[in-house]
Amino acid sequence: QVQLVQSGAEVKKPGSSVKVSCKASGGSFSSYTTNWVRQAPGQGLEWVGRIIPILDIANYAQKFQGRVTITADRSTSTAYMELSSLISEDTAVYYCARAVDSGAPLAYWGQGTLVTVSS
Amino acid sequence: DIQMTQSPSSLSASIGDRVTITCRASQSISTYLNWYQQKPGKAPKLLISAASSLQSAVPSRFSGSGSGTDFALTISSLQPEDFATYYCQQSYSTPFTFGPGTKVDFK
Repeated sequence: QVQLVQSGAEVKKPGSSVKVSCKASGGSFSSYTTNWVRQAPGQGLEWVGRIIPILDIANYAQKFQGRVTITADRSTSTAYMELSSLISEDTAVYYCARAVDSGAPLAYWGQGTLVTVSS
Repeated sequence: DIQMTQSPSSLSASIGDRVTITCRASQSISTYLNWYQQKPGKAPKLLISAASSLQSAVPSRFSGSGSGTDFALTISSLQPEDFATYYCQQSYSTPFTFGPGTKVDFK
């Protein structure tokens, strides 16, 4: 049984950074891809990026290039998403989600982490 | 980037109704199309992968069809627990874009 447990809610000032974690249990952490998807209040789902731990390769949506860094620690089966230069529009629930390979669906989801950006 | 569109954006239906939601990709994605159900305050749940493959434990009243650019999700007989928002998503190429969603509510 694959489970993803994310870190808790964050409140950040504009211009600062946030780092959200996603700890996996069950399955093979290295061979799955971990994706990050966000959802602003009342809005739809937006893919942020992903990491393939076994290759240590990350891909990002163009919109977030230069502001987001996704990493993975295989020793603790934990993936991280760091978003910098935060603006109010980054206020959203951030989900991690796993897929078994590159073209596979997001079969397992974390519970979500609310990031609020406010002065 | 591949753009995904859905229609309708919302619909009102009754218990027992047959409901169809369509999804279109801006270019061919073969059958790399997935459907998710999301209820308020919850993470999305994968219903259908590869356009038509029903996930285990998902009721058989859900079905998916299509290939290339045009896809559909059908609920054959709407049940109370099906009132939710439904999203399509392409997993053909990054960025793995989602459709804008279709909210199904009670008529």
